[in-house]
Amino acid sequence: EVQLSESGGGLVQPGGSLRLSCAASGFTFNDYAMNWVRQAPGKGLEWVSSIWGNGATTYYLDSVKGRFTISRDNSKNTLYLQMNSLRAEDTAVYHCAIHPKYYGATTPFDHWGQGTLVTVSS
Amino acid sequence: DIQMTQSPSSLSASVGDRVTITCRASQGIRNDLGWYQQKPGKAPKRLIYAASTLQSGVPSRFSGSGSGTEFILTISSLQPEDFATYYCLQHNNYPLIFGPGTKVDIK
Repeated sequence: EVQLSESGGGLVQPGGSLRLSCAASGFTFNDYAMNWVRQAPGKGLEWVSSIWGNGATTYYLDSVKGRFTISRDNSKNTLYLQMNSLRAEDTAVYHCAIHPKYYGATTPFDHWGQGTLVTVSS
Repeated sequence: DIQMTQSPSSLSASVGDRVTITCRASQGIRNDLGWYQQKPGKAPKRLIYAASTLQSGVPSRFSGSGSGTEFILTISSLQPEDFATYYCLQHNNYPLIFGPGTKVDIK
């Protein structure tokens, strides 16, 4: 059974840092690109960042570039999101998810974690 | 960046109704579009991928069509468990963009 389980969320002051983790199991983790997607309270879904299966290529939403860093440890089947210089507008539930693209085609594989809440407030 | 619009933003419907939701991309995205259903407090669940392919395990009352810039999600006969918010997602290029969402509630 495929499982994605996020951790590391919490309350942090503006300007602070958090590191989110996403533990993956039940599939060949290093074969799949991964995403972080967030949802602010009462708002829609927003893509944050992607990383290829080998970790060599990353992409970011403009508003988090230079502040957030996505990474992965394929030996531990774990995805990370290092979040620095946090702002109130980063407050959201952060989900990890398998990327829809698989070697140039759309994968039928679709799994999301339940999310971890990040609250940025003084 | 590609812009995604979705209409309507909300709708009220009855059990048994046929419902259509439209997503439009500001430029062609081939068929690199998925449709997701989200219920309160839950993770999104993909219903349709590659614009028109039904995700395994999803009821056949859901269907998708379109390619390029215009895409449609159809629910042929709305069931009580279908009351939720629906999002499209383009993954043709970066940044990945979700549509603003369509909330489907009970009339």
